[in-house]
Formats: sequence, structure tokens, C-alpha cells
Amino acid sequence: EPEVTQTPSHQVTQMGQEVILRCVPISNHLYFYWYRQILGQKVEFLVSFYNNEISEKSEIFDDQFSVERPDGSNFTLKIRSTKLEDSAMYFCASSEYGLGANVLTFGAGSRLTVL
Amino acid sequence: QKEVEQNSGPLSVPEGAIASLNCTYSDRGSQSFFWYRQYSGKSPELIMFIYSNGDKEDGRFTAQLNKASQYVSLLIRDSQPSDSATYLCAVAKNAGNMLTFGGGTRLMVKP
Repeated sequence: EPEVTQTPSHQVTQMGQEVILRCVPISNHLYFYWYRQILGQKVEFLVSFYNNEISEKSEIFDDQFSVERPDGSNFTLKIRSTKLEDSAMYFCASSEYGLGANVLTFGAGSRLTVL
Repeated sequence: QKEVEQNSGPLSVPEGAIASLNCTYSDRGSQSFFWYRQYSGKSPELIMFIYSNGDKEDGRFTAQLNKASQYVSLLIRDSQPSDSATYLCAVAKNAGNMLTFGGGTRLMVKP
């Protein structure tokens, strides 16, 4: 069964450092997303990406965050200067276009720990 | 405020019983409704989705939607210990837009 692949599975970084989280969405999917989940809290939307541009973003997705699709397969989330409160599980997801556009398939997640 | 509310639980049911999970949402513009299952430390896994008022059945799972009451529920028949997980309700306004998740209900199925 097709799956969304995320790397790294766990990253530990120092406050103020830049972090890049990588994702390979399902190959025929056209919508890409990043969500995050702080331990014990809700899954929160960060950003959606379609046709090589951001289609929607939340208040969490401030200037410290950026997304990129550098080639035909990867989708990345960059945090420029990490804060302690950025510690969370980050989930990449993808979905097909059309009626099933909201049927998201999530990757296994990248756990980010900011010290 | 666009919110999705769920009772955090835990909801404890005996093996073989019916588990009933409930969710309310505040945005009347919501069009699509989803139930995800999340095991501890894992990613959300789609169980089923529903777009229209009424019931939708898939195996042991039945989703129920009442847009007038802004209420969606999930019934799990013949609950198994492997069903023990957190169940997340999520809603979306239009195709391609973001999902707003509830905080989840923790289900415990006791053998």
C-alpha cells in the first residue's frame, strides 16, 4: 500500500538552530500538508501546498517556517530558528485531488526535540 | 472560533460491546467529516469519512452525521482490545482545505 515517508524519525537540536524535516508524499497525490502535535495536545494544521504554492496556512505557520517542493518527490518543512515550543511531532500528509482531497494519508511523523 | 470538541475519556467498554464516540463542531460551513484512530506515539490513521447526513457503515464501524445539530459520531461494534486507541474527529470546510481536529477520545476495550 502506498505510504508517506518522513525523515528523520527523531531529531534533537539546540534552540536557535535551523531544522529541515523531509517528506516523500504518495506519488499521485497533489495536495501536501504539514501538521504538528505537541505531546498530549491536538493535531494542529500548519500549512497546505498545492500546485507549487501554499494554498492555506495557520497562525502557527509564521515567518520562522517555510515549505518547499525542491524536486518531483520531496516536500520539506524548514524551521529557521527553533524555539523550545517547537518541540513536537511533525506529520506530513498528502491527498488526491477532487472529492477525495481531504482524505489525508499521514506519514509516521518526525519527532523534533528542541533543547 | 472554529472548534471541534470531543470528550477526552477514557471511554472503557468490555470486549464485544458497542463503543460510541461523539464529536461536535462549531463551524456550520463544515462539509467533510473524518474519524482517525491514533495509537500512542503513532500517526493518525483514517477509519472513515462522511459527507452527507445520516449513517455510513464500513465493517464494524458506523459514522453518523447530523449537520443540523452539528454532531458526528462513530460506533464501533464488537469492540476488540486492538481497538484501544485515541479516536480523533476532524472536519473540513471544502475540498483541499485544512482539517481541524478535536482533542480525541481515548477508548479502552477490556478483555
